[in-house]
Amino acid sequence: DAGVIQSPRHEVTEMGQEVTLRCKPISGHDYLFWYRQTMMRGLELLIYFNNNVPIDDSGMPEDRFSAKMPNASFSTLKIQPSEPRDSAVYFCASSPGFKQYFGPGTRLTVT
Amino acid sequence: GESVGLHLPTLSVQEGDNSIINCAYSNSASDYFIWYKQESGKGPQFIIDIRSNMDKRQGQRVTVLLNKTVKHLSLQIAATQPGDSAVYFCAENKGNAGNMLTFGGGTRLMVKP
Repeated sequence: DAGVIQSPRHEVTEMGQEVTLRCKPISGHDYLFWYRQTMMRGLELLIYFNNNVPIDDSGMPEDRFSAKMPNASFSTLKIQPSEPRDSAVYFCASSPGFKQYFGPGTRLTVT
Repeated sequence: GESVGLHLPTLSVQEGDNSIINCAYSNSASDYFIWYKQESGKGPQFIIDIRSNMDKRQGQRVTVLLNKTVKHLSLQIAATQPGDSAVYFCAENKGNAGNMLTFGGGTRLMVKP
């Protein structure tokens, strides 16, 4: 299995632009998680899905952030408009249970 | 608030020595714990996990110990190698939080040749 796939691996954008991060979970995993990692705040859970349905989005910073999972093999995290403080590494993880498998992350830089 | 925390932000060990990374948790309802290793530029990788009905679990060169009395979790790495240099995270499932994991702040392990 290729593991969790994320794209792009790096994204540099200007403040105010829309950013879309993509994730393909491991086939057969019912859960998908989006995390943000920064030096200041560590690893934060933003939102997670079970069987394509959002279960807990309490970690989403504000309305500028949205996430979708249209099917079992694809999810997106969108930031619109982006701000410099959104600069971070964003990880997607999937799991069949408690053990989560992480993707390589997307490093987002907003200038 | 309830959280998973680490005592030592940085641990430096000599190659070949054993390493012990510690983690404290505060939620007595937590029933699942897991350790991840994160190398620079990569996502966290699973190392080992343990359920609350166990005190100890061993893997290849790694052992996780769970002390529920004092709410303490540790990761022991035997014969530490340069490739073990990374940041290590503990995480817990709080029992009533679906499949969510709460992560600690991480400990950086540096292995000196």
